[in-house]
Amino acid sequence: GAGVSQSPSNKVTEKGKDVELRCDPISGHTALYWYRQSLGQGLEFLIYFQGNSAPDKSGLPSDRFSAERTGGSVSTLTIQRTQQEDSAVYLCASSLEGTSGAYEQYFGPGTRLTVT
Amino acid sequence: AQSVSQHNHHVILSEAASLELGCNYSYGGTVNLFWYVQYPGQHLQLLLKYFSGDPLVKGIKGFEAEFIKSKFSFNLRKPSVQWSDTAEYFCAVDGSSNTGKLIFGQGTTLQVKP
Repeated sequence: GAGVSQSPSNKVTEKGKDVELRCDPISGHTALYWYRQSLGQGLEFLIYFQGNSAPDKSGLPSDRFSAERTGGSVSTLTIQRTQQEDSAVYLCASSLEGTSGAYEQYFGPGTRLTVT
Repeated sequence: AQSVSQHNHHVILSEAASLELGCNYSYGGTVNLFWYVQYPGQHLQLLLKYFSGDPLVKGIKGFEAEFIKSKFSFNLRKPSVQWSDTAEYFCAVDGSSNTGKLIFGQGTTLQVKP
């Protein structure tokens, strides 16, 4: 079946602009995660969704970052007033469920965000 | 807070050499442990995982890892590497907040020379 898909694959934006990144998880996966991969910080957790709710937003770096998930499926990560330090690859992952941590997370190809 | 430490940042080996990548984590409770691999230009994919039971776990492509609870370690091994194993390897532990979120190590870049 289809894996996790993300769009766009690349995004170049000017500092101060807002961006939206999209994630389509594997069908039937109730848990969805956003991570960020950057040179200086490695792979960092951003936010976790179980269904449409986000019980763990502890990784969001500032209030400029927000995410939502609708219909228990597609998720959008929004970054407002982008800064150069937001440049990174944003990865989405999904799994059957998240509460036990006992299910494999399947990762998408990522969105490479460059803020100029 | 949980953390994961990978001691080797960049490893260069010749084909057929043996591989061991170190991974240590800090957390005193029950953990689930993972190794992920990212081949050049590809997605992160799961190499192997430990949840419970036999501390020696086998993964894809001949990789294995041993969970040593007393040492808080989960080292990755392969007896004989191939050029196709050139990739970045990430050790990860699930967060303790019952969300399944992963805490990753900084990654190890493995370069295998043919």
